[in-house]
Amino acid sequence: QMQLQESGPRLVKPSETLSLTCTVSDGSISSSGHYWGWIRQPPGKGLEWIGSIFYSRTTFYSPSLKGRVTISADKSKNQISLKVKSVTAADTAVYYCASPLGPPHGAATTWGPGMLVTVSS
Amino acid sequence: QSALTQPPSASGSPGQSVTISCTGTSSDIGYYNYVSWYQQHPGKAPKLIVYEVTTRRAGVPARFSGSKSGNTASLTVSGLQAEDEADYHCTSYAGDNNMVFGGGTKLTVL
Repeated sequence: QMQLQESGPRLVKPSETLSLTCTVSDGSISSSGHYWGWIRQPPGKGLEWIGSIFYSRTTFYSPSLKGRVTISADKSKNQISLKVKSVTAADTAVYYCASPLGPPHGAATTWGPGMLVTVSS
Repeated sequence: QSALTQPPSASGSPGQSVTISCTGTSSDIGYYNYVSWYQQHPGKAPKLIVYEVTTRRAGVPARFSGSKSGNTASLTVSGLQAEDEADYHCTSYAGDNNMVFGGGTKLTVL
């Protein structure tokens, strides 16, 4: 059964870039039809779709974050990456990678355990 | 503020039925049949329970059912059990390659 695991720095300074990686095991990010997404959840709040990547190259981003977010894939490492630039305290959240997740399908059956990233000096 | 509106809380006694609403607009829930519901226990990742408005994910008890009327989608939990106490989140496709979520509803089993 495919598993996802988020990793990266848990503390990021304001104005810097948040960088996370989602490592996929027991599955290939290059598999036909697979799409991968990032979702975040600020403490005590609801979920927010950040963006998705299809076929390791086509990306879609939430309009509210577009311009600050980049999602990419590394086939050699079987990883999906997320970068959020110019972060503020409002970017403090638990970040999840999930699949299959991408417009129009919001039905992700597999999720990573999530990772709390705090933006603070 | 979330794009979809959910009540912050809902409650019911064991064995009762509870319905959680998720209100959007004619550009998301009202137009597309891509509404999903997730269950989230404290400290855990969300778990998909219903997708495409009414389809229950394999292995999810029949006590969970989804529906839609106009711009509002609903999740009904029948025969409430203690383990159903969790947060529930709705999401919908909103067109233009955008997906939106609700703010989540905390379901309490009394």
